[in-house]
Parts: sequence; C-alpha cells; structure tokens
Amino acid sequence: EAGVTQFPSHSVIEKGQTVTLRCDPISGHDNLYWYRRVMGKEIKFLLHFVKESKQDESGMPNNRFLAERTGGTYSTLKVQPAELEDSGVYFCASSQLAGPQHFGDGTRLSIL
Amino acid sequence: AQKITQTQPGMFVQEKEAVTLDCTYDTSDQSYGLFWYKQPSSGEMIFLIYQGSYDEQNATEGRYSLNFQKARKSANLVISASQLGDSAMYFCAMREGGSGDSNYQLIWGAGTKLIIKP
Repeated sequence: EAGVTQFPSHSVIEKGQTVTLRCDPISGHDNLYWYRRVMGKEIKFLLHFVKESKQDESGMPNNRFLAERTGGTYSTLKVQPAELEDSGVYFCASSQLAGPQHFGDGTRLSIL
Repeated sequence: AQKITQTQPGMFVQEKEAVTLDCTYDTSDQSYGLFWYKQPSSGEMIFLIYQGSYDEQNATEGRYSLNFQKARKSANLVISASQLGDSAMYFCAMREGGSGDSNYQLIWGAGTKLIIKP
C-alpha cells in the first residue's frame, strides 16, 4: 500500500509570499494530522482531521495558517503570508482510529 | 512542564551491541500511549513500536523492545544487536487519553541522535 505522500519535498519562498503544502494520506485512513518541527525545537502538533472535519486545531500557531481537507481525502496547509519563523519541516501523518500514525517524508519550508 | 524528556541528545554505540534510549514522560491521565519513531538522515519518520498504559507486557517488535516502567514513568527503547542502519534520530512520543477518546495528538521529545560505529 502507498504510504503518506507530501508535496513539495522542499519549498523556498520569500517573506510575505504564500505557500501551500499538500498531503495525501494512506488510503482508508480517516485521521490526518499536521505537525511541524522548527529548527532546534521539538516536533509540535498543529491539527487533526477526522475525514473532512477539524477534530483538533489547538496547535495552529495563528490565522496565517489555513488547513483544509475537502472531501476527506488529501489535505492542504496554506501559509499566507509566510514569516521567517514559519521555516521548518512540516510533517503530515495519517492513522486508522487511534492506531499508530504513519508519517510522510515531510516538506522542508524555508522562508527568506 | 516538559511532558516527554529524552535526556540523551546523542549516543555512539559499537555495531552489534545493544543500546537503550531513554524516555521519561509526565501525564496525569490514567490512559495514554507511548510511541517510538525513527528518523534516518533521509528525513522520513518511521513508526517503530507502541506501548499502551494498560498493557501488562512490554511491547516488542523484532529487534526493538520497549522497557515500560509505569511507576517511574519511563518508556525506554531497547535495540538489540545494533546495525549500521540503525543510525538515525529516535523520537519518543505520547498520546494522552485512551483510544476511545478523540484527542490523538502526539507530544514529542527532543530526540536522540544515535550513531552506530562499525
């Protein structure tokens, strides 16, 4: 079975621009998560979808971040406008119910 | 307060030796889950092993085992007969609440960088 896929693998943009990250979960996994690791810090939870609904978005840092999962399949995470402190690696994961979360390779986002 | 503590930022281990990676956690929940993930230099995050707070036996998956000491709130990962391919970052993570709850977010430790020497 195909794993979690994330696109792009790397993105370099200038401060103030917009970037959209995409995540395709494992087929059949209703639960989809976004996490972020900022350089030198721990991995932090951003939000959790169950199908197309946001179950928990307590980790979203501010309203410059918008996550969607229309149709309950793939998800996008948009950062608009990007700031320097948004640089880091953004991971997506999916799971069946409360089982182990399977991660994608991450998107490395650099804001210049 | 730190919920997941990994006290070893880095470790060097000789190939074929066993290695223990430390993880302590802090929670007031009675029901929780503990996870270990491996992140090689290529960047992907690989699930290794899971221990539920009510599991009486320590979890094992091949060469990986989890030394779960509930009273001490520790969940150390043991890798037996280490291999060069085990060199990676290792993260301990916790999910508070049981599988029947809706809160599935993982809380992460800072990670331990393990290097296996030939």
